[in-house]
Amino acid sequence: QSVLTQPPSVSGAPGQRVTISCTGSSSNIGAGFDVHWYQHLPGTAPKLLIYSNTNRPSGVPDRFSGSKSGASGSLAIAGLQPEDEADYYCQSYDSSLTGSNWVFGGGTKLTVL
Amino acid sequence: QITLKESGPTLVKPTQTLTLTCTFSGFSLSTSGMGVGWIRQPPGKALEWLALIYWDDDKRYSPFLKNRLTITKDTSKNQVVLTMTNMDPVDTAIYYCAHRHYHGTGSEYFDYWGQGTLVTVSS
Repeated sequence: QSVLTQPPSVSGAPGQRVTISCTGSSSNIGAGFDVHWYQHLPGTAPKLLIYSNTNRPSGVPDRFSGSKSGASGSLAIAGLQPEDEADYYCQSYDSSLTGSNWVFGGGTKLTVL
Repeated sequence: QITLKESGPTLVKPTQTLTLTCTFSGFSLSTSGMGVGWIRQPPGKALEWLALIYWDDDKRYSPFLKNRLTITKDTSKNQVVLTMTNMDPVDTAIYYCAHRHYHGTGSEYFDYWGQGTLVTVSS
């Protein structure tokens, strides 16, 4: 079970907007650690999509946006396109009694209908 | 341009030790602030962070696997090596190495990833 909780799947029609949530706790996102998002297509390397809650790396379309509130982060994808169909992972940093470490969400599979 | 590439065995037997090498270019692990991490993905499952080594040789391990993991670096070869002891079929996964980026206190992420290498554990 992942430290960060994501919905297993979301779906939307081309052109629609979808959001993916990432729920953490007081030892990670709620402690002030940033949320980052990755897009992962099978057989390829994960791609950094959003860093530090809201920032897009160069080359990532502005259809992708991120936010953070309290112990949760969120990824929004507007104007869905068929090529957006992929797995999406959130990542943060966790500091608890078991030690400090990087943590990922369980992943969300986006289906473009 | 930063690139990373994983190499190592594709098949290991249960109880054996796995040794994976990450060979990178475009940065030096002797430069202050640099770090390289290992992440894996079992078939059909989520990404799981394993270990990370910093430029100053500080090392961090997943608390769930730290007794089995060792991460080292060879700055002259631009390589990071991960060893995992006592391999089990549940360790079957794609293993990735990635460049860690520091964006400020509380903000560290992986901005460049290798293509990954599939390791199967089977007798």
